[in-house]
Parts: sequence; C-alpha cells; structure tokens
Amino acid sequence: DARVTQTPRHKVTEMGQEVTMRCQPILGHNTVFWYRQTMMQGLELLAYFRNRAPLDDSGMPKDRFSAEMPDATLATLKIQPSEPRDSAVYFCASGLVFQGLMNTEAFFGQGTRLTVV
Amino acid sequence: GQQVMQIPQYQHVQEGEDFTTYCNSSTTLSNIQWYKQRPGGHPVFLIQLVKSGEVKKQKRLTFQFGEAKKNSSLHITATQTTDVGTYFCAGFRDMRFGAGTRLTVKP
Repeated sequence: DARVTQTPRHKVTEMGQEVTMRCQPILGHNTVFWYRQTMMQGLELLAYFRNRAPLDDSGMPKDRFSAEMPDATLATLKIQPSEPRDSAVYFCASGLVFQGLMNTEAFFGQGTRLTVV
Repeated sequence: GQQVMQIPQYQHVQEGEDFTTYCNSSTTLSNIQWYKQRPGGHPVFLIQLVKSGEVKKQKRLTFQFGEAKKNSSLHITATQTTDVGTYFCAGFRDMRFGAGTRLTVKP
C-alpha cells in the first residue's frame, strides 16, 4: 500500500530552535509539494519540486525556511530559527506529472503538527 | 501562481439538505482537482476534471467544470453526517488550493 510518509508526526520546540521535517514520497512520483495548514490561512503551498529540482518556492519565507530533495526518496523542510507563528500542520504530498499534466492525484502524508512555544 | 477562490468558506446544513461549493479562477485551468479533508485528517483526492463543461458523478456528489475552464463546483445531494469535512479545489499546474469550504451537518 503506497503512501507518503512524514516524520515526525508531532513536534514541540522552543522558539529559536531549528526544526527539520521529512517526507518520503511515493516511489515513482516525480513531483513533491510542501503545504502549511493553519486555521487562518487554509492550505498554503510553500514549495514544490519536479524531478528533485525546485520549481516554485515563492510561498516560503526565505529568511528562515528552506526545502530540499537530497535524493528521490527524501524531501526536507527546515525552519531556522523557528518562531511561534510557524505553528501549523505541515503536509507533504507527491504525484506524477507527465507532459505537463497531473497523471495522478496528489497523495498527502499525514502531516507534521508543529508547535513552537 | 494561479489564484483559486472558493466560496462559501463555511456551510452548515441539516442532514438531508443539499450542499454546493464553488471554485473560481482568474485564469484558465488546464484541469482541476477536488479533495476532501476530514477533521484531523489529511486531504484525500475525490476527482479530477479536465474537459470544458465536464460533469462527473460519484454517488451523491456531482462535479462540474465550467465551459471556460475557469470555474468548478461540487454539489452534494442529501447530505449525511459522513460528508462532514473541508472540501478543497486545486488548479493544476502548481496545485494551489482554494481556501476550502468547511461543511458541518446537523443530524
């Protein structure tokens, strides 16, 4: 049963600390998305990758957030330094895009619930 | 990226009533996807619409894609308590989601 795996599921950290969230996309998917969800902002696209290359990270605060795909099986989202306003649920999703069309739906992981105190 | 607007933001209905949520884009969409997120869960794919004027049905759910491919709707007939959740639309290419419509159903 293929699924997107996110770790950790929950993270509580103090303001100023570095936070790293990890995502294992479904094998064979070539596109990975990072979303942030809060009550106020809905489901906000932070960044996405195609074939491990960043295509758009305009939704991400550049001064403290960074997203990478060190290899095809791992995507990371890092916040340094973390702030209380970063508290949210962070979702990773993966899908297959071919010739500019989404061949599959976006499969979401279960999310990382981040609390910054 | 493309802007996708969704209305209403909230909808509370009595069980058995119908429900509709609308998705509007400022630009033409190549396709549109709909997702449902149950409280405490993650978004789960419902359907993808590709063709102008396309209508698809899944049991009590009816999805439409506008002729100009700038708007879409999801209609639920005779809501049930299991329909509770937030319904999102997302336009490809960059999978930016609308704000979602949160549906609550009173038994």
